[in-house]
Formats: sequence, structure tokens, C-alpha cells
Amino acid sequence: GEDVEQSLFLSVREGDSSVINCTYTDSSSTYLYWYKQEPGAGLQLLTYIFSNMDMKQDQRLTVLLNKKDKHLSLRIADTQTGDSAIYFCAERSGGYQKVTFGTGTKLQVIP
Amino acid sequence: KAGVTQTPRYLIKTRGQQVTLSCSPISGHRSVSWYQQTPGQGLQFLFEYFSETQRNKGNFPGRFSGRQFSNSRSEMNVSTLELGDSALYLCASSLEDRGPEAFFGQGTRLTVV
Repeated sequence: GEDVEQSLFLSVREGDSSVINCTYTDSSSTYLYWYKQEPGAGLQLLTYIFSNMDMKQDQRLTVLLNKKDKHLSLRIADTQTGDSAIYFCAERSGGYQKVTFGTGTKLQVIP
Repeated sequence: KAGVTQTPRYLIKTRGQQVTLSCSPISGHRSVSWYQQTPGQGLQFLFEYFSETQRNKGNFPGRFSGRQFSNSRSEMNVSTLELGDSALYLCASSLEDRGPEAFFGQGTRLTVV
């Protein structure tokens, strides 16, 4: 079955870049996602990448996909304290909306 | 445009009771998916509805059920509640069943005592 893994915790200083990594097992993944969850809130869709792309950039966010190694990363440039949250990597294969999530990486931004 | 609305936000129920949670998707969206989030199991897919039809179901017991109405609003029901059903239940809304983007509501926090 599908499996998505992430490291549990990342700490960075304000103004530095953050890189959150993720690996997945399903070679038939169609879309790969990054979601953000703040305490007591739902999931906010940050960005997604189609499986035939290598990179996607959206303002401070850069997503890199290495399909051969099944590795996805999210780079946040100029990390701010407001970026402190849990970040979930997720993948979707097949035609429907079933998404498999990773365990989440808690990003702590130190002022 | 209003986002995904889930009601109620918080709920406390007793073991053995049943509960119904509601999700109103973004206007025009026809696909609704449900997820359970717990500290131990993380985010797990429950089921997905599109045009009032269940398209996909996760690995949950039959006590968990759902439905979708003609206006795309969805409800999920959990019968014979167990302590382990305490979780954040999240609903996601998509324009269509195959579209890339899914937008989540704030969730319903269910506590079973």
C-alpha cells in the first residue's frame, strides 16, 4: 500500500531557509502535496506538484520532486515565525480524491 | 467565496452513543472527502463522495458511514461510539472527483467519554 514518511521535527532560525523532506512509496502517484496545519486548525493547501514535474515555485515556496528516488521536498525561503506549524506531505494516486498523508513535520522557527 | 464549513466544531459524546457530523463544501464543489486525525494514527482517509455516490472507502469499521446530498453537502455518522473514536474529523472539498486541489475545513473535534 501507499506509505509516506517525513522527519518529525525541524528547527530553523528566522530568516533562514527551511527544507522539509518526504519520501513516498507509491510509484503511481499522480499528485504530491504540501499542507500546513496550525494549532487547532484544519489543513491549509500550500502547494502541489504533478508527478511529471521536477520543480514548482510559488513565492517563498519551492517544491522539488525526484520521482526516481520517490523524494519530495519543500523549501521555505526567508522563514518567518508565522511559518511555525506542522507540515504534511501527501500523495494521491488513481483518479479519485483519496490522499495518503505523512506523519507531519513540526517546524519551529526561532526568532 | 466561503470555504469549507464543518459543524459542529466541538462535540462531546458518551461511549455507545452515535454522532453525525456535517460538511458544507465550497460552492460549486461536488466532491467531499472525510479524514480522521489522531495523535497515534495521524491522518487517515475515511471515504469520498461525488455526486451523491461513495467513490472510495478507507479501512474503517462499518460503524463509520456517510452520505452526500444533492446540494453536495455531506454528513458522516459514527454509531456505537468508542473511546478510540475521539479525533479531529476533517472534511475536504474538491471541484470534481479528479481535480488536483482539495480544500479542508476547520474540522470537528469529537471527544468520546
